[in-house]
Amino acid sequence: EVQLLESGGGMVQPGGSLRLSCAASGFTFSSYAMSWVRQAPGKGLEWVSSISGSGGGTYYADSVKGRFTISRDTSKNTMYLQMSSLRGDDTAVYFCAKDSNSGSYSDCWGQGTLVTVSS
Amino acid sequence: QLVLTQSPSVSASLGASVKLTCTLSSGHSNYDIAWHQQQPEKGPRFLMKLNSDGSHHKGDGIPDRFSGSSSGAERYLTISSLQSEDEADYYCQTWGTGIHVVFGGGTKLTVL
Repeated sequence: EVQLLESGGGMVQPGGSLRLSCAASGFTFSSYAMSWVRQAPGKGLEWVSSISGSGGGTYYADSVKGRFTISRDTSKNTMYLQMSSLRGDDTAVYFCAKDSNSGSYSDCWGQGTLVTVSS
Repeated sequence: QLVLTQSPSVSASLGASVKLTCTLSSGHSNYDIAWHQQQPEKGPRFLMKLNSDGSHHKGDGIPDRFSGSSSGAERYLTISSLQSEDEADYYCQTWGTGIHVVFGGGTKLTVL
């Protein structure tokens, strides 16, 4: 069974940094692209970033480009999202997702971790 | 610009059927999409990948009550024999070179 478990969320001050982790199990981690998707309170889903199975390809939404860095460690079956220069509008639940064989859509989701940016 | 448009809310009665719509922006009518369900206070759940020709591939364990269809730029999710647990937000998702991933604004389904 595919399982994705996010961790690392919490409260941080504006301008601060935070690193999210997504521990994956139940599939061959290195064979699949992975994504981060966030949801601000009361709002819809917003794609944040994706990384290819090899880690060689990384993609970012314009809203986080230059501030967030996605990475993965195949030896630990874990994906990361390093977030810096955090702003109030980054406040959201961050979901980890496994992408499909074609790497185009998400076919399995985690339960999410809450990031609150506030002074 | 690739945009997915969904109605903000829809309601239907227990046991009835409902058809949710996701509309692709002009010039993108041949794009495939995915449908996801998000029950209250939970993470999203993948329902199906829906192709432009109406064929679809459902996720593991998704009941037969859920089906998809396509017509032009419209992508549909039909839920039959509505149950209380179907009350949720439903999102469509698409993807493309250079824009990577786009979500629709979501439709809140209320089961009466």
